Amino acid sequence: NAGVTQTPKFQVLKTGQSMTLQCAQDMNHNSMYWYRQDPGMGLRLIYYSASEGTTDKGEVPNGYNVSRLNKREFSLRLESAAPSQTSVYFCASRALGGTIYFGEGSWLTVV
Amino acid sequence: AQTVTQSQPEMSVQEAETVTLSCTYDTSENNYYLFWYKQPPSRQMILVIRQEAYKQQNATENRFSVNFQKAAKSFSLKISDSQLGDTAMYFCAFMKHAPGGGNQFYFGTGTSLTVIP
Repeated sequence: NAGVTQTPKFQVLKTGQSMTLQCAQDMNHNSMYWYRQDPGMGLRLIYYSASEGTTDKGEVPNGYNVSRLNKREFSLRLESAAPSQTSVYFCASRALGGTIYFGEGSWLTVV
Repeated sequence: AQTVTQSQPEMSVQEAETVTLSCTYDTSENNYYLFWYKQPPSRQMILVIRQEAYKQQNATENRFSVNFQKAAKSFSLKISDSQLGDTAMYFCAFMKHAPGGGNQFYFGTGTSLTVIP
């Protein structure tokens, strides 16, 4: 059972560099999410996608873009990384019954 | 906006004892879901228990149970017979329906629980 798979698990970027975090789920879920987790802040929603072809901003979308490539995949792109984007990023998908399932997290450091 | 508040940043409990983690939320919605997620040091997010707001009966999953007080907007988690493996960060989460079909989740800031041998 793969569930939600996100890559890479660890990444170090220089300020101004770009990168894409990949996420895929094999549970046929419609809704997918990207969160970031910072110390003392809990999880904050960056973007979500209610279904294939749709995306919407969450609480903290600035500096990010997303693509819902198909039902399985939902990628998060940092166009010009900043130190404030150093965080742990979680991708998640939601089952019809409401429960969300998370990937294992991606540790991103921007220096 | 929905808010989820966990007022206990850190808690500890002796092994085999019982501990209760508190969570309150603010919403004008009538239908919603509430969740508790566990995040051990591995940082993986693991579902502990869920509660539908329309259900009056409190959810139970083995040693984990909730005290859901809808009028008070309170959703506490009780862990019985605490085990060392329960040491983790616990997040309370709220889910409502959003326009367009996407369901947005709101998380509290977490409670770090340490089980002491």
